[in-house]
Amino acid sequence: DVKVTQSSRYLVKRTGEKVFLECVQDMDHENMFWYRQDPGLGLRLIYFSYDVKMKEKGDIPEGYSVSREKKERFSLILESASTNQTSMYLCASSRNPPTGELFFGEGSRLTVL
Amino acid sequence: AQSVAQPEDQVNVAEGNPLTVKCTYSVSGNPYLFWYVQYPNRGLQFLLKYITGDNLVKGSYGFEAEFNKSQTSFHLKKPSALVSDSALYFCAVGMNRDDKIIFGKGTRLHILP
Repeated sequence: DVKVTQSSRYLVKRTGEKVFLECVQDMDHENMFWYRQDPGLGLRLIYFSYDVKMKEKGDIPEGYSVSREKKERFSLILESASTNQTSMYLCASSRNPPTGELFFGEGSRLTVL
Repeated sequence: AQSVAQPEDQVNVAEGNPLTVKCTYSVSGNPYLFWYVQYPNRGLQFLLKYITGDNLVKGSYGFEAEFNKSQTSFHLKKPSALVSDSALYFCAVGMNRDDKIIFGKGTRLHILP
């Protein structure tokens, strides 16, 4: 069974802390994505990557960075967490050539106090 | 720029009745359209997609969607609703098959027993 695994389901951090959200996929997919999900706003794309060591900004990259050192792993980094980054974070992957079918992890709910 | 709108925050349907979840889109070219579903405390799951061809697309769990170019709509439908269909449904649009997909805000579907 194909899987996208997000390492932490629930995290509580304090303002100013550095936060790492890890995502691993076992499908050998080239493409990986980070979204955040907020009530009434749907999913918004933060960053995505089409290859190792490659990254592109999505619609809301401010306050975030990413790392893709290996094909299967895509990390989202909050350099200095703020309360407005309290959200559900969803990682997804897809194969090439793109089909529009994204495979999502179960999400990481981050609370910043 | 592409965008997608889901005009209803919530839809209530009695079990056994037909259901429709509405979606309209705006793109500058030919759209790639998708529906995803999110069950409670889970990540999103792909339901169906329209790329080209027949305007009526069939997907998982008995769902289907109709692409209407003149109305720029892609409504999700099912002939007979089940209580287990209760979930959050997202319409999404992509361009150029690059998997950079824009999601709507979501519609919560409640199927009443």
